[in-house]
Amino acid sequence: DIQMTQSPSSVSASVGDRVTITCRASQDVGSWLAWYQQKPGKAPKVLIYAASSLQSGVSSRFSGSGSGTDFTLTISSLQPEDFASYYCQQASSFPPTFGQGTKLDIK
Amino acid sequence: QVQLQESGPGLVKPSETLSLTCTVSGGSVSSGSYYWSWIRQPPGKGLECIGYIYNTGSTNYNPSLKGRVTISVDTSKNQLSLKLSSVTAADTAVYFCARRGSGGRSFDSWGQGTLVTVSS
Repeated sequence: DIQMTQSPSSVSASVGDRVTITCRASQDVGSWLAWYQQKPGKAPKVLIYAASSLQSGVSSRFSGSGSGTDFTLTISSLQPEDFASYYCQQASSFPPTFGQGTKLDIK
Repeated sequence: QVQLQESGPGLVKPSETLSLTCTVSGGSVSSGSYYWSWIRQPPGKGLECIGYIYNTGSTNYNPSLKGRVTISVDTSKNQLSLKLSSVTAADTAVYFCARRGSGGRSFDSWGQGTLVTVSS
């Protein structure tokens, strides 16, 4: 299986801050990388697919970049509703695998 | 807009079989280029893809589950089902059904999840 490693595991930030989360794959996944947001007690919600494509209905303050093994998710100006956990997921090979998550909380 | 809803027992005894159903509305499990999936999340932990089924009936199962998994669809009821045999406490998790698109290959629609606890 392809291992996905996110950093940091947790981050504290303030409303209005710019935040970047990174994800590294144990082997080349091309651009087959998605990012999800999950709030407590809720299902994950896809934000970004194919590394940099914004899912319909998702705020443009979310952006993704990268290819191969190194990827980033950037939130340009944090809003109160953005405090949640974030997961990357490779979609290059089966089984799809997820990073361990990054918890974003309020400073 | 497609909606998914999981249902099934919240408590299963060790060594027994976990059975869950996912009812799909606003879309058909038998058409379109979608993979109908099961994903689980142990309490406080990360996400694991259990497997999925395509509209042709072909399936892919996570090898980590060592042949204990069966995913099927009932097209007459527009439902997806999961059976996981010989469960242990390690199978305690929130189980989600989800739809994976063939284009971006992301899981773009999810049920709300159902907690299954394995305990005697």
